[in-house]
Amino acid sequence: NAGVMQNPRHLVRRRGQEARLRCSPMKGHSHVYWYRQLPEEGLKFMVYLQKENIIDESGMPKERFSAEFPKEGPSILRIQQVVRGDSAAYFCASSPPGGITDTQYFGPGTRLTVL
Amino acid sequence: AQSVTQPDIHITVSEGASLELRCNYSYGATPYLFWYVQSPGQGLQLLLKYFSGDTLVQGIKGFEAEFKRSQSSFNLRKPSVHWSDAAEYFCAVGQPNTGNQFYFGTGTSLTVIP
Repeated sequence: NAGVMQNPRHLVRRRGQEARLRCSPMKGHSHVYWYRQLPEEGLKFMVYLQKENIIDESGMPKERFSAEFPKEGPSILRIQQVVRGDSAAYFCASSPPGGITDTQYFGPGTRLTVL
Repeated sequence: AQSVTQPDIHITVSEGASLELRCNYSYGATPYLFWYVQSPGQGLQLLLKYFSGDTLVQGIKGFEAEFKRSQSSFNLRKPSVHWSDAAEYFCAVGQPNTGNQFYFGTGTSLTVIP
Protein backbone atom coordinates (compact mmCIF):
# COMPACT_ATOMS: atom_id res chain seq x y z
CA ASN A 1 0.00 0.00 0.00
CA ALA A 2 1.70 3.15 -1.21
CA GLY A 3 1.95 6.05 1.18
CA VAL A 4 0.89 9.63 0.61
CA MET A 5 2.42 10.87 -2.62
CA GLN A 6 3.33 14.45 -3.32
CA ASN A 7 4.73 15.98 -6.45
CA PRO A 8 6.80 17.69 -7.34
CA ARG A 9 9.24 17.22 -4.48
CA HIS A 10 10.96 20.47 -5.33
CA LEU A 11 9.47 23.41 -7.18
CA VAL A 12 11.16 26.65 -8.17
CA ARG A 13 9.10 29.62 -9.26
CA ARG A 14 9.79 33.25 -9.97
CA ARG A 15 7.79 35.95 -8.27
CA GLY A 16 4.40 36.36 -9.90
CA GLN A 17 4.19 32.83 -11.30
CA GLU A 18 1.74 30.17 -10.21
CA ALA A 19 2.62 27.11 -8.16
CA ARG A 20 0.60 23.89 -8.25
CA LEU A 21 1.28 21.25 -5.65
CA ARG A 22 -0.27 17.81 -5.92
CA CYS A 23 -1.13 15.28 -3.28
CA SER A 24 -2.40 11.74 -3.77
CA PRO A 25 -3.73 10.30 -0.49
CA MET A 26 -3.20 6.78 0.68
CA LYS A 27 -5.54 4.22 -0.81
CA GLY A 28 -8.83 4.23 1.05
CA HIS A 29 -8.29 7.66 2.56
CA SER A 30 -10.87 10.28 1.75
CA HIS A 31 -9.59 13.12 3.94
CA VAL A 32 -6.71 15.37 2.94
CA TYR A 33 -4.96 18.07 4.90
CA TRP A 34 -2.41 20.64 3.79
CA TYR A 35 0.22 22.11 6.10
CA ARG A 36 2.95 24.67 5.55
CA GLN A 37 6.32 24.56 7.26
CA LEU A 38 8.34 27.73 7.22
CA PRO A 39 12.08 27.51 7.95
CA GLU A 40 12.81 26.85 11.64
CA GLU A 41 9.10 26.53 12.42
CA GLY A 42 6.60 23.79 13.02
CA LEU A 43 3.83 22.85 10.68
CA LYS A 44 0.87 25.20 10.36
CA PHE A 45 -2.50 23.88 9.33
CA MET A 46 -3.86 25.35 6.11
CA VAL A 47 -6.88 23.43 4.90
CA TYR A 48 -8.83 20.22 5.38
CA LEU A 49 -10.70 18.68 2.47
CA GLN A 50 -12.85 15.71 1.71
CA LYS A 51 -13.75 14.64 -1.80
CA GLU A 52 -15.26 17.66 -3.57
CA ASN A 53 -15.64 19.57 -0.30
CA ILE A 54 -13.57 22.03 1.67
CA ILE A 55 -14.29 21.28 5.31
CA ASP A 56 -12.00 23.73 7.09
CA GLU A 57 -9.90 26.40 5.41
CA SER A 58 -9.27 28.50 8.49
CA GLY A 59 -5.50 28.32 7.99
CA MET A 60 -5.46 29.41 4.38
CA PRO A 61 -4.28 32.90 3.50
CA LYS A 62 -7.23 34.92 2.25
CA GLU A 63 -5.70 35.72 -1.11
CA ARG A 64 -3.78 33.82 -3.79
CA PHE A 65 -4.17 30.40 -2.14
CA SER A 66 -6.77 27.81 -3.06
CA ALA A 67 -7.20 24.08 -2.66
CA GLU A 68 -9.35 21.40 -4.18
CA PHE A 69 -9.86 17.68 -3.90
CA PRO A 70 -11.85 16.54 -6.91
CA LYS A 71 -13.86 13.36 -7.19
CA GLU A 72 -11.12 11.91 -9.37
CA GLY A 73 -7.46 12.69 -9.14
CA PRO A 74 -5.16 14.23 -6.59
CA SER A 75 -5.72 17.14 -4.28
CA ILE A 76 -4.23 20.37 -5.59
CA LEU A 77 -2.89 23.29 -3.61
CA ARG A 78 -2.63 26.30 -5.89
CA ILE A 79 -0.69 29.44 -5.13
CA GLN A 80 -1.17 32.30 -7.56
CA GLN A 81 1.29 35.15 -8.06
CA VAL A 82 3.84 33.67 -5.69
CA VAL A 83 5.98 35.92 -3.52
CA ARG A 84 9.25 35.19 -1.72
CA GLY A 85 7.39 34.69 1.54
CA ASP A 86 5.64 31.66 0.05
CA SER A 87 8.93 29.77 0.06
CA ALA A 88 8.35 26.87 2.40
CA ALA A 89 7.80 23.15 2.61
CA TYR A 90 4.20 22.17 1.96
CA PHE A 91 3.06 18.89 3.42
CA CYS A 92 -0.01 16.93 2.64
CA ALA A 93 -1.52 14.38 5.00
CA SER A 94 -4.37 11.96 4.58
CA SER A 95 -6.57 9.96 6.89
CA PRO A 96 -9.46 7.53 6.60
CA PRO A 97 -12.96 8.84 7.30
CA GLY A 98 -12.88 8.36 11.07
CA GLY A 99 -12.37 11.86 12.33
CA ILE A 100 -9.79 13.16 14.74
CA THR A 101 -9.04 9.76 16.21
CA ASP A 102 -7.56 8.63 12.93
CA THR A 103 -3.91 9.19 12.40
CA GLN A 104 -2.85 11.59 9.70
CA TYR A 105 -0.23 10.10 7.43
CA PHE A 106 2.14 12.60 5.90
CA GLY A 107 3.68 12.79 2.48
CA PRO A 108 7.32 13.73 1.87
CA GLY A 109 6.43 17.34 1.13
CA THR A 110 6.97 19.79 -1.70
CA ARG A 111 9.69 22.32 -1.15
CA LEU A 112 8.77 25.54 -2.90
CA THR A 113 11.44 28.12 -3.61
CA VAL A 114 10.41 31.50 -4.95
CA LEU A 115 13.19 33.45 -6.64
CA ALA B 1 -6.43 29.70 22.33
CA GLN B 2 -4.91 26.31 21.99
CA SER B 3 -1.15 26.01 21.72
CA VAL B 4 1.64 23.48 21.81
CA THR B 5 4.98 24.32 23.33
CA GLN B 6 8.22 22.47 22.88
CA PRO B 7 10.60 24.38 25.16
CA ASP B 8 13.78 22.84 23.84
CA ILE B 9 14.74 24.01 20.37
CA HIS B 10 17.80 21.80 20.20
CA ILE B 11 19.09 18.91 22.29
CA THR B 12 22.37 17.03 22.05
CA VAL B 13 22.81 13.62 23.64
CA SER B 14 25.45 10.92 23.51
CA GLU B 15 24.65 7.65 21.84
CA GLY B 16 23.35 5.23 24.43
CA ALA B 17 22.18 7.95 26.77
CA SER B 18 18.56 8.44 27.73
CA LEU B 19 16.39 11.08 26.11
CA GLU B 20 13.42 13.15 27.14
CA LEU B 21 11.78 15.69 24.88
CA ARG B 22 9.27 18.02 26.45
CA CYS B 23 5.85 18.98 25.18
CA ASN B 24 3.24 21.12 26.90
CA TYR B 25 -0.16 21.99 25.56
CA SER B 26 -2.85 24.47 26.34
CA TYR B 27 -6.36 23.16 25.98
CA GLY B 28 -9.40 22.97 28.21
CA ALA B 29 -10.15 19.30 27.87
CA THR B 30 -8.04 16.26 27.21
CA PRO B 31 -6.79 16.58 23.68
CA TYR B 32 -5.52 13.92 21.38
CA LEU B 33 -1.73 13.92 21.48
CA PHE B 34 0.85 12.84 18.94
CA TRP B 35 4.58 12.72 18.45
CA TYR B 36 6.02 12.79 14.94
CA VAL B 37 9.61 12.52 13.75
CA GLN B 38 10.99 14.22 10.67
CA SER B 39 14.31 13.24 9.15
CA PRO B 40 16.08 15.82 6.97
CA GLY B 41 14.26 16.35 3.69
CA GLN B 42 11.58 13.86 4.60
CA GLY B 43 7.96 13.94 5.66
CA LEU B 44 6.67 13.25 9.14
CA GLN B 45 6.42 9.78 10.58
CA LEU B 46 4.12 9.01 13.48
CA LEU B 47 5.95 7.73 16.55
CA LEU B 48 3.00 7.34 18.90
CA LYS B 49 -0.36 8.77 19.86
CA TYR B 50 -2.59 9.13 22.90
CA PHE B 51 -6.36 9.31 22.86
CA SER B 52 -7.43 7.87 26.20
CA GLY B 53 -6.72 5.10 28.69
CA ASP B 54 -3.27 4.19 29.93
CA THR B 55 -1.27 7.39 30.21
CA LEU B 56 2.00 5.69 29.25
CA VAL B 57 2.03 5.09 25.52
CA GLN B 58 4.47 2.89 23.66
CA GLY B 59 5.49 3.78 20.14
CA ILE B 60 7.77 2.66 17.38
CA LYS B 61 11.58 2.66 17.48
CA GLY B 62 11.63 2.19 21.25
CA PHE B 63 9.97 5.51 22.07
CA GLU B 64 7.37 6.07 24.74
CA ALA B 65 5.47 9.08 26.03
CA GLU B 66 3.56 9.83 29.19
CA PHE B 67 0.47 11.98 29.41
CA LYS B 68 0.32 13.98 32.62
CA ARG B 69 -2.94 15.85 32.89
CA SER B 70 -1.89 17.85 35.95
CA GLN B 71 1.10 19.24 34.08
CA SER B 72 -0.55 19.45 30.64
CA SER B 73 2.44 17.57 29.33
CA PHE B 74 3.15 14.74 26.94
CA ASN B 75 6.89 14.18 27.10
CA LEU B 76 8.65 11.77 24.78
CA ARG B 77 11.28 9.42 26.16
CA LYS B 78 13.71 6.81 25.01
CA PRO B 79 16.01 4.89 27.39
CA SER B 80 18.93 4.53 25.00
CA VAL B 81 19.40 6.76 21.98
CA HIS B 82 20.83 5.48 18.71
CA TRP B 83 22.67 7.62 16.17
CA SER B 84 19.82 7.06 13.72
CA ASP B 85 17.46 8.90 16.09
CA ALA B 86 19.00 12.23 15.08
CA ALA B 87 16.08 14.14 13.56
CA GLU B 88 13.47 16.80 14.25
CA TYR B 89 10.70 15.83 16.66
CA PHE B 90 7.28 17.43 16.65
CA CYS B 91 4.56 17.23 19.24
CA ALA B 92 1.02 17.73 17.92
CA VAL B 93 -2.38 18.21 19.48
CA GLY B 94 -5.77 17.46 18.02
CA GLN B 95 -9.00 18.72 19.48
CA PRO B 96 -11.90 16.28 19.62
CA ASN B 97 -14.67 18.78 19.01
CA THR B 98 -13.20 21.16 16.48
CA GLY B 99 -12.63 19.01 13.47
CA ASN B 100 -9.47 17.34 12.35
CA GLN B 101 -7.01 20.18 12.58
CA PHE B 102 -3.71 19.41 14.29
CA TYR B 103 -1.63 22.01 16.09
CA PHE B 104 2.09 21.43 15.99
CA GLY B 105 4.86 22.60 18.26
CA THR B 106 7.88 24.27 16.74
CA GLY B 107 9.93 21.12 17.04
CA THR B 108 13.01 19.91 18.86
CA SER B 109 16.11 19.12 16.87
CA LEU B 110 18.02 16.14 18.25
CA THR B 111 21.73 15.65 17.65
CA VAL B 112 23.34 12.38 18.69
CA ILE B 113 27.08 12.35 19.29
CA PRO B 114 29.22 9.19 19.36
